[in-house]
Amino acid sequence: AQSVTQLGSHVSVSEGALVLLRCNYSSSVPPYLFWYVQYPNQGLQLLLKYTTGATLVKGINGFEAEFKKSETSFHLTKPSAHMSDAAEYFCAVSGPSTPLVFGKGTRLSVIA
Amino acid sequence: DTAVSQTPKYLVTQMGNDKSIKCEQNLGHDTMYWYKQDSKKFLKIMFSYNNKELIINETVPNRFSPKSPDKAHLNLHINSLELGDSAVYFCASSQESIYEQYFGPGTRLTVT
Repeated sequence: AQSVTQLGSHVSVSEGALVLLRCNYSSSVPPYLFWYVQYPNQGLQLLLKYTTGATLVKGINGFEAEFKKSETSFHLTKPSAHMSDAAEYFCAVSGPSTPLVFGKGTRLSVIA
Repeated sequence: DTAVSQTPKYLVTQMGNDKSIKCEQNLGHDTMYWYKQDSKKFLKIMFSYNNKELIINETVPNRFSPKSPDKAHLNLHINSLELGDSAVYFCASSQESIYEQYFGPGTRLTVT
């Protein structure tokens, strides 16, 4: 069975600071990995995904994530936080014959 | 054009009532889902349909019944609503179950 652990239910950063949201996964097969963002009172929006190929994946809004198989991690980063980045972020994993499994989410707060 | 749409966006009703939520996707996807998001933002999959056939049915009270009249629609009917059913319900779709899912805007259900 696949699972996702997001370290830190709440992360707070200053505007302009580095954003780092941590995600570790467990999978017995090569995983497909995803990050979603949920703004208040909205649905989930895909930020980026890793399926195969390049391990550093770039997404929308300046976010990127690196797949590290040896560490079973897929952390999300952004060099400089903006107030508009404040939202809930979800990491998810899937694989052959396995639907998406979501982590519990990390709420990102950005302080002016 | 909205990719995944849900109606209604808000639903307030009394305990014991029966209600339905409708979902439509215009992405040509084969697989559709219903999720429940609780007050702590935890996303729990309820059902998944592939080409109108039920493929995932998590531990959900049988008061909840999904219906898929065609590939583009997946409706959720709830009988005898209870206070604990209050949540945000999201519909989603994907090309296949292992790939990224596209979410609707959600239906906030409040049972009084």
